[in-house]
Amino acid sequence: AQKITQTQPGMFVQEKEAVTLDCTYDTSDQSYGLFWYKQPSSGEMIFLIYQGSYDEQNATEGRYSLNFQKARKSANLVISASQLGDSAMYFCAMREWGDSNYQLIWGAGTKLIIKP
Amino acid sequence: DTAVSQTPKYLVTQMGNDKSIKCEQNLGHDTMYWYKQDSKKFLKIMFSYNNKELIINETVPNRFSPKSPDKAHLNLHINSLELGDSAVYFCASSWSTDTQYFGPGTRLTVL
Repeated sequence: AQKITQTQPGMFVQEKEAVTLDCTYDTSDQSYGLFWYKQPSSGEMIFLIYQGSYDEQNATEGRYSLNFQKARKSANLVISASQLGDSAMYFCAMREWGDSNYQLIWGAGTKLIIKP
Repeated sequence: DTAVSQTPKYLVTQMGNDKSIKCEQNLGHDTMYWYKQDSKKFLKIMFSYNNKELIINETVPNRFSPKSPDKAHLNLHINSLELGDSAVYFCASSWSTDTQYFGPGTRLTVL
């Protein structure tokens, strides 16, 4: 079974609109962390934001926020006021703290295209 | 200053050749990783080293051999390259189980 599911293979959004990228996860661990990364067309992988399972508040980093709904096991990335430079692949990943080998579990990614 | 660097950025080679990709991090991290990203953008962990000790060794052909001469370096050597090895290879590093930071990637093309 997929541990990280990103249901939107691709999205088109108008510039300046807010964007929500979906991520659902599956774990039986109580302690885990969720990460979002951005991969622009230039290819590099850029860390965006992190949410720990015990964090009471949703994580925010500038225009990025994480809509963390623990009971629903979802960790959606919200980008406010989208810009053309936000066009990229976005990956959701999870680390289960019970896993001693430091492994990140990755989703398949969502390709976001911002339209001018 | 580049935090995680990889060389070369592009590598084009013939089938059957042996090649190496080098990775260095100056973040003081104790854990380093190699990932393979295929043409569909799926990321697959290959290896991970913590304090120079191999901790993740996923099911990859034994033609792939990582080497960690010190905590700041993790190199990937590939023997007898095959067409299916064409991909982007990413090095990453982290402090223990914290956030992983990635290098720029090496695009390997096997002809």
